[in-house]
Amino acid sequence: KAGVTQTPRYLIKTRGQQVTLSCSPISGHRSVSWYQQTPGQGLQFLFEYFSETQRNKGNFPGRFSGRQFSNSRSEMNVSTLELGDSALYLCASSLRGRNTEAFFGQGTRLTVV
Amino acid sequence: GENVGLHLPTLSVQEGDNSIINCAYSNSASDYFIWYKQESGKGPQFIIDIRSNMDKRQGQRVTVLLNKTVKHLSLQIAATQPGDSAVYFCAETSSGGGADGLTFGKGTHLIIQP
Repeated sequence: KAGVTQTPRYLIKTRGQQVTLSCSPISGHRSVSWYQQTPGQGLQFLFEYFSETQRNKGNFPGRFSGRQFSNSRSEMNVSTLELGDSALYLCASSLRGRNTEAFFGQGTRLTVV
Repeated sequence: GENVGLHLPTLSVQEGDNSIINCAYSNSASDYFIWYKQESGKGPQFIIDIRSNMDKRQGQRVTVLLNKTVKHLSLQIAATQPGDSAVYFCAETSSGGGADGLTFGKGTHLIIQP
């Protein structure tokens, strides 16, 4: 069974630009969550999607948004990029979310210059 | 919000010895806990989980212990191997509502010495 796939693996953007990251969950998994990982803040929850609906949201500004498609694939978008948005963005896939095993992808390393 | 924290940022053990990684949590509503291993350049890898109705759970070479009284979680790795070198995170969540995302600790860097 294929794991969680995130694309692209690496990305360099300039301040003010916007970026879209993609996540394909494990087949059959309906919940996709996004996390931001930085050396200073560690792993922080961005939001969770289940059956194309945002079910939960962490404490991030509105510049961070996402969506989920009918095949459970998810995208997250960051608009008006800031230097502080440089991070590893991780996607986690689980069968139902809510207290079920979550499996992570390799992440997308975003660098904002 | 409440956070999950770790007692030690770095743990160095001899190859073949047992390792114990500790984690404290403060949210008394937490009822599901997961340990992850993250190697350099990779995403977190699921190791083992435990629900709050259990005190102990064993996997292959790993054991997780949960002490709800003192809000403490530990991961024991038996006979550590070079491949166990990584950063280990505990994570928690509660089913009682609010953001259902996992709350992660800061991580413990496990170093295996030959």
